[in-house]
Amino acid sequence: EPEVTQTPSHQVTQMGQEVILRCVPISNHLYFYWYRQILGQKVEFLVSFYNNEISEKSEIFDDQFSVERPDGSNFTLKIRSTKLEDSAMYFCASSEWAGINDMNTEAFFGQGTRLTVV
Amino acid sequence: AQSVTQLDSHVSVSEGTPVLLRCNYSSSYSPSLFWYVQHPNKGLQLLLKYTSAATLVKGINGFEAEFKKSETSFHLTKPSAHMSDAAEYFCVVSWRGSTLGRLYFGRGTQLTVWP
Repeated sequence: EPEVTQTPSHQVTQMGQEVILRCVPISNHLYFYWYRQILGQKVEFLVSFYNNEISEKSEIFDDQFSVERPDGSNFTLKIRSTKLEDSAMYFCASSEWAGINDMNTEAFFGQGTRLTVV
Repeated sequence: AQSVTQLDSHVSVSEGTPVLLRCNYSSSYSPSLFWYVQHPNKGLQLLLKYTSAATLVKGINGFEAEFKKSETSFHLTKPSAHMSDAAEYFCVVSWRGSTLGRLYFGRGTQLTVWP
């Protein structure tokens, strides 16, 4: 069964350092997303990406964050100059279509990368 | 404001007994509703979804949920719990008025199943 894979599963970084979280979406999917979950809080939308550009971003996704699809298979989230409050579980997701209201569409999630900023 | 509320952070049941995980939403728009499950060290897996077809939705592993517009609820049920059902469950909503693809999550309900 196809799945979304994320690497690494755990990442520890020092405050102020840059991190790149990597995701390999399902191969025929066209829409890609990042979500995060701070410990004890809800899973929150960060950004959606289609056709090599951001289609929507939340208020959380400020200039510190960027996303990229550097090749045909990877989808990355870069966090520049990490802060303590960036510590969270980051989930990547992909879908074949953006029409998740369509009966035949669903978002597939990866297992997450736990980022700890110290 | 649009929101999703899972009424219980933890639910414990005995194996073989019914499961009820509660979810309410608030919205001015017609929602699409989902339940996702997350087992330890696994990704979020879709259990079932409602997108304005039948109000009673059947999902995988014997789970089902009923959309009740008058109560703004989408509770998840299963007649008989199994040990393998122990996991965290998320009620998730998307609104027709929002950009497609953006999902709003509840806080999650941790289900424990006792032998």
